[in-house]
Amino acid sequence: DAKTTQPNSMESNEEEPVHLPCNHSTISGTDYIHWYRQLPSQGPEYVIHGLTSNVNNRMASLAIAEDRKSSTLILHRATLRDAAVYYCSDEKLTFGTGTRLTIIP
Amino acid sequence: DGGITQSPKYLFRKEGQNVTLSCEQNLNHDAMYWYRQDPGQGLRLIYYSQIVNDFQKGDIAEGYSVSREKKESFPLTVTSAQKNPTAFYLCASRKDSNTGELFFGEGSRLTVL
Repeated sequence: DAKTTQPNSMESNEEEPVHLPCNHSTISGTDYIHWYRQLPSQGPEYVIHGLTSNVNNRMASLAIAEDRKSSTLILHRATLRDAAVYYCSDEKLTFGTGTRLTIIP
Repeated sequence: DGGITQSPKYLFRKEGQNVTLSCEQNLNHDAMYWYRQDPGQGLRLIYYSQIVNDFQKGDIAEGYSVSREKKESFPLTVTSAQKNPTAFYLCASRKDSNTGELFFGEGSRLTVL
């Protein structure tokens, strides 16, 4: 079964870019990579997803490695509202423990 | 507005009692999911349903039951057989079971006294 691994926590200064990594070395060749984030006591919200090429939307960018074994979620300019737990998952919606992102004012 | 509604938001129950958590969506989504989240942990899949009148066990189905009699509704029953039911329960849906983004509800926090 596909499995994702992420660092437990990361810190970033406000207004600086943040790069959140995810390893998914066993992901199927046709499965999209999804990213969600969760604020305390709330349900997760969708951030972005992609298959092979890099993706951009109003919230973030997703850089996918050429071999698809890893990806990086990029927040171009972190704000305090970006402090959350970030999860990556495969199409089968297997979530790991995520990365807790702390933003330092 | 379209979305997923979970109720109740907070629920307390005594040991040995069954409790049912409600999940309703008006997004016309075929697939619906129930996850459990414990403090500091990720999301673990309990049950999912790809279409009306059909559902499958996830990774931690023991002690739980579900039904999918209507497209918009996917209630979860936490039975007395569930040994550690205190947790945050999240319901989600998406357009179909193979692709697309998940839409999550706000969650239901169950505490067993």
